[in-house]
Amino acid sequence: DAGITQSPRHKVTETGTPVTLRCHQTENHRYMYWYRQDPGHGLRLIHYSYGVKDTDKGEVSDGYSVSRSKTEDFLLTLESATSSQTSVYFCAISESSGLGEKLLFGSGTQLSVL
Amino acid sequence: AQKVTQAQTEISVVEKEDVTLDCVYETRDTTYYLFWYKQPPSGELVFLIRRNSFDEQNEISGRYSWNFQKSTSSFNFTITASQVVDSAVYFCALIRTGTASKLTFGTGTRLQVTL
Repeated sequence: DAGITQSPRHKVTETGTPVTLRCHQTENHRYMYWYRQDPGHGLRLIHYSYGVKDTDKGEVSDGYSVSRSKTEDFLLTLESATSSQTSVYFCAISESSGLGEKLLFGSGTQLSVL
Repeated sequence: AQKVTQAQTEISVVEKEDVTLDCVYETRDTTYYLFWYKQPPSGELVFLIRRNSFDEQNEISGRYSWNFQKSTSSFNFTITASQVVDSAVYFCALIRTGTASKLTFGTGTRLQVTL
């Protein structure tokens, strides 16, 4: 268990409304990520964080912002949701060991924008 | 730029058949990691394996085996004697070493194993 909790698990919202998704981790990992999963695209990186208040863009960052005020929490915000942002959102942490790094994922958030 | 191609969108097999999922990647880096993840119908993403670009040894774990060939930029995944519980979407992914572990995923292969 990677100790990653995403909330909410499901969300239905209307176009134009702000939405915030939360990712919480319990094991003090430095790196955290937000991905979205869409049919035909696999998973694509939205934003990532390499420490408190240190964030950077991924390949599909338009329309999204993130914040990390504490090591354990990484928030993804859709300032004004659009139907194209209907997707499954996954949070991930990077776990390092002597064998190298691997990403471990939360259970996902299904977001529907109507 | 990096790219991961999983040309097989869907595969259907009958239980106990062997099945190979193909993964071809593109990268200019000499040091990288390759991964396979499983996404069962419940939706979570389950880590299966990580392979360093310097290690071309094939790996076997129970009914699962992985064939890494740098010469053809492939990292194929074989399930021997498939079972219904193997039904899932399988993703191949690539990380460029030293880039904050930003995974590049393939589009996935849906495997359906029937009785």
